[in-house]
Amino acid sequence: QVQLVESGGSVVQPGGSLKLSCAVSGFTFSRFPMHWVRQAPGKGLQWVAVISNDGNKKYYADSVKGRFAISRDNSENTMFLEMNGLRVEDRAVYYCTRGNTGTYGAYYFDFWGQGALVTVS
Amino acid sequence: DVQMTQSPSSLSASVGDRVTITCRASQSVSTYLNWYQQKPGKAPKLLIYAAFSLQSGVPSRFSGSGSGTDFTLTISSLQPEDFATYYCQQSYNTPFTFGPGTTVDI
Repeated sequence: QVQLVESGGSVVQPGGSLKLSCAVSGFTFSRFPMHWVRQAPGKGLQWVAVISNDGNKKYYADSVKGRFAISRDNSENTMFLEMNGLRVEDRAVYYCTRGNTGTYGAYYFDFWGQGALVTVS
Repeated sequence: DVQMTQSPSSLSASVGDRVTITCRASQSVSTYLNWYQQKPGKAPKLLIYAAFSLQSGVPSRFSGSGSGTDFTLTISSLQPEDFATYYCQQSYNTPFTFGPGTTVDI
């Protein structure tokens, strides 16, 4: 079955760096774009970044642009989020999720990991 | 960026009730609108995509409607496992913005 497993969450000081990983199984990883979505404690969901299936296209939320970098290794079925210049407001659970396309070009996030907690303090 | 709003922000309901949650986009997103359910401590779960398409495995008591800027998620007969927070999300363009959520509790 489809599985997405995040790792790398930790406590880091403001200005510090951290790298999250998302290991996937159960589907052909190289066929799907992948996203990071985060959720601050007690708050709603915020989309963070997307990477195309081949890794050539990347887009970021304005709040993380220039500080975060999304990447993937299709040979290892793993996606990454490198976070630099971390701020207190980046504290959140970070979810990796698969982007999928349905009928008439519908686009949605159909599988999610369990989340990785990043604390900036 | 497309801004998403939801109403109500929370509601109290009973098992068997019909529940309706609305979502509004700041500009037209056609039918590029998805609904997710999230329970405490868990990842979101896709319920409805493309405004009205039921994700595989999701009970038929969930339904979605709307297009353009106004959308609705309906639960026809609330079940105990449906008490959760519901988010709409537009996938019309990046950033893929979510609504603030609607919490359904007893």
